[in-house]
Amino acid sequence: AQSVAQPEDQVNVAEGNPLTVKCTYSVSGNPYLFWYVQYPNRGLQFLLKYITGDNLVKGSYGFEAEFNKSQTSFHLKKPSALVSDSALYFCAVRDANDYKLSFGAGTTVTVRA
Amino acid sequence: EPEVTQTPSHQVTQMGQEVILRCVPISNHLYFYWYRQILGQKVEFLVSFYNNEISEKSEIFDDQFSVERPDGSNFTLKIRSTKLEDSAMYFCASSVIDPGREGPDEQFFGPGTRLTVL
Repeated sequence: AQSVAQPEDQVNVAEGNPLTVKCTYSVSGNPYLFWYVQYPNRGLQFLLKYITGDNLVKGSYGFEAEFNKSQTSFHLKKPSALVSDSALYFCAVRDANDYKLSFGAGTTVTVRA
Repeated sequence: EPEVTQTPSHQVTQMGQEVILRCVPISNHLYFYWYRQILGQKVEFLVSFYNNEISEKSEIFDDQFSVERPDGSNFTLKIRSTKLEDSAMYFCASSVIDPGREGPDEQFFGPGTRLTVL
């Protein structure tokens, strides 16, 4: 079985400050990890993924995420948040032998001007 | 940039009625998926579809549900006899390659259809 936990329902930061959205995962085999963002009335937009290789992966809109195998974490980060980053963020995991994505509950990010 | 599209954006139906949710995946994609999100809950996997057959389904995807690719562009989810608990946002997704064998590829999601069962 595979699962994802996003421990924070909400994250609030000031514009220009660093943003971190936390994610931990559980999977039986090698994990494939993803971050998606959802804006109001829009679908889930892909941000970045970790498959193998460098633990730090870079994605769209200046976001990056760090894979930590020992802590089973895949936290999303952005060095300097923008008001336009305010959205709902989902972490997801796939087992290497599976088709389906398992999602976390989502974290609402609010960036205040 | 190519997008997954879904119609309708909102569907209201009476309990016991059949509904068909429609999706147009990205044109060169080979794998198709349906997920749903009940209000306030996680996004849940329903089914994946490849080469005109179901490749995986969850326990939610019971006999009331079916999927079809009736032509070269559409991918549909049918709920035969809707229940109140089927009310949710239904997302269609597609991906380029076989994620089980050739390595994972990200899934691209549509904007969703909000299904309300009265």
